[in-house]
Amino acid sequence: EAGVVQSPRYKIIEKKQPVAFWCNPISGHNTLYWYRQNLGQGPELLIRYENEEAVDDSQLPKDRFSAERLKGVDSTLKIQPAELGDSAVYLCASSPTYRLDNEQFFGPGTRLTVL
Amino acid sequence: AQSVTQPDIHITVSEGASLELRCNYSYGATPYLFWYVQSPGQGLQLLLKYFSGDTLVQGIKGFEAEFKRSQSSFNLRKPSVHWSDAAEYFCAVGLMEYGNKLVFGAGTILRVKS
Repeated sequence: EAGVVQSPRYKIIEKKQPVAFWCNPISGHNTLYWYRQNLGQGPELLIRYENEEAVDDSQLPKDRFSAERLKGVDSTLKIQPAELGDSAVYLCASSPTYRLDNEQFFGPGTRLTVL
Repeated sequence: AQSVTQPDIHITVSEGASLELRCNYSYGATPYLFWYVQSPGQGLQLLLKYFSGDTLVQGIKGFEAEFKRSQSSFNLRKPSVHWSDAAEYFCAVGLMEYGNKLVFGAGTILRVKS
């Protein structure tokens, strides 16, 4: 079974430029998460989707970040415009449901560097 | 506020030696606790979890963890470390009243010397 796929793996951009990250979850997983992991920190949840509905986006900086999960399968996270402080690893995870006893499976992440 | 503390940023152990990684949490209700491992270039992988029942839980790769409510701790242990265990380890607490959100600690980097 294929795991969570993310692309690109690395991205370097100038500040004020836009950037987008793509995630394809494990087939059949209804719940999809986007996390941000700053250097030396643990992952922090940005947004959670149940199918195509964003049910927890309280930590998403909505002035510059947006996300979508069309058709309840793959998802895109966008930053526009990027700031220096956005440099981090962006992780996508999926699980069959949002229940805590359902394991979250993580992708390898996209490492973003903003210059 | 709910939080997870991993006091050790780095730990170095010799191959074959025992390992204990510390985790303390701050959470008012019954915690759901997790340990994840992250190898370089890899996503996080679940090692084990505690929901209820036996306070000593077994996980994959020979790891175990013990929940101690009185100490608000969930320490990860392994009796004999292998070089392949070198990675970063994250403790997390699941918050049922916040949509089952996971809150992670800052991680502990394990180095294994031969």
